[in-house]
Amino acid sequence: KNEVEQSPQNLTAQEGEFITINCSYSVGISALHWLQQHPGGGIVSLFMLSSGKKKHGRLIATINIQEKHSSLHITASHPRDSAVYICAVRSSEKGSARQLTFGSGTQLTVLP
Amino acid sequence: EAQVTQNPRYLITVTGKKLTVTCSQNMNHEYMSWYRQDPGLGLRQIYYSMNVEATDKGDVPEGYKVSRKEKRNFPLILESPSPNQTSLYFCASSYSGGYGYTFGSGTRLTVV
Repeated sequence: KNEVEQSPQNLTAQEGEFITINCSYSVGISALHWLQQHPGGGIVSLFMLSSGKKKHGRLIATINIQEKHSSLHITASHPRDSAVYICAVRSSEKGSARQLTFGSGTQLTVLP
Repeated sequence: EAQVTQNPRYLITVTGKKLTVTCSQNMNHEYMSWYRQDPGLGLRQIYYSMNVEATDKGDVPEGYKVSRKEKRNFPLILESPSPNQTSLYFCASSYSGGYGYTFGSGTRLTVV
């Protein structure tokens, strides 16, 4: 079983829809990251979370440490949001604190 | 502009011919790391470095070497590349607190 599971793997939405991508993990973590990979391959860091909720523009990320679950929400989705969204966790276990473990990614396509 | 610069962007080489992929950052970040991305396997960490002269193995270090002689540079060395090292490679850096990561643009390597 992967340490980081994302769902769904693929998501197609109409422009304007509210989108949710989920991430569940099985290890103790010190931080969780949400990344965006553009169609051209470049990766951008969106959020780093250790608790609670963060918001940046139309993007909202939440984390529930007790349930080992995080969600990435996109409000009023737009075709330019089409990308792969990747969840990554940094383990809190001694010796692995600097390693990131990645989910397999969610391919989001927003249709005009 | 704050950035992580990887070179080359694309490389086709033959089995056994030593190669180096360079990575340089201009943000004075302590932490640097290398990842490979493969279809169906996602991103996996190869090596990371906490600071100058401090490197450690990630999840898939076999067949790779790294060095960190200067804070800004973290080259990835393939002493004897093999076809199973064909992949998309990313370098990333961050402050040692593990804040948001900055990724390079990626290097698409093909070993024939």
